[in-house]
Amino acid sequence: KNQVEQSPQSLIILEGKNCTLQCNYTVSPFSNLRWYKQDTGRGPVSLTIMTFSENTKSNGRYTATLDADTKQSSLHITASQLSDSASYICVVRGGGTSYGKLTFGQGTILTVHP
Amino acid sequence: EAQVTQNPRYLITVTGKKLTVTCSQNMNHEYMSWYRQDPGLGLRQIYYSMNVEVTDKGDVPEGYKVSRKEKRNFPLILESPSPNQTSLYFCASISLAGGLLTGELFFGEGSRLTVL
Repeated sequence: KNQVEQSPQSLIILEGKNCTLQCNYTVSPFSNLRWYKQDTGRGPVSLTIMTFSENTKSNGRYTATLDADTKQSSLHITASQLSDSASYICVVRGGGTSYGKLTFGQGTILTVHP
Repeated sequence: EAQVTQNPRYLITVTGKKLTVTCSQNMNHEYMSWYRQDPGLGLRQIYYSMNVEVTDKGDVPEGYKVSRKEKRNFPLILESPSPNQTSLYFCASISLAGGLLTGELFFGEGSRLTVL
């Protein structure tokens, strides 16, 4: 069964500190992986997309990595801000006959304290 | 402004009373889908549609119906709602440019449904 596992489930850090969120997946064949940020009560918003050939991609203070061999991705947040407090969701799109299906991780709830 | 609009945003209903949650997007996206989000389970795909008159089941389709008669609209129908369908529902759309689903998934603001 295609799965996406995220860790940790929740994380509390102090403002200004860095953190790394993990995403492991078993989806095969693999098409791409996206990280989304979801503020409480709102719809998720895309942060970055990783395709099979990409290893690292940055979007401001967010840097995503992908290791397609080990089926792992990480999202690194630098110099955290209070507004980074949210749920971060890893979403994997399959290929082949599962092209239209998305598999979502459970999300990591990040809380940034002043 | 590019957006996905869901209605209603909040709804309390009773078991067995048919309801429809509407979803409309103004970006001319081919792909639309519905998700439910429950604590500890994350987002789970209910149904998706690759284009008009083309729909397919996601991971949790039981108890739901969808239709895609127009490109911009993708309503979610609960024929006989039950309490286990109490959840937060999201509609989303994405462009199928070049036949590839590499674009960003745009989500609506969510519809919180309570079935008593």
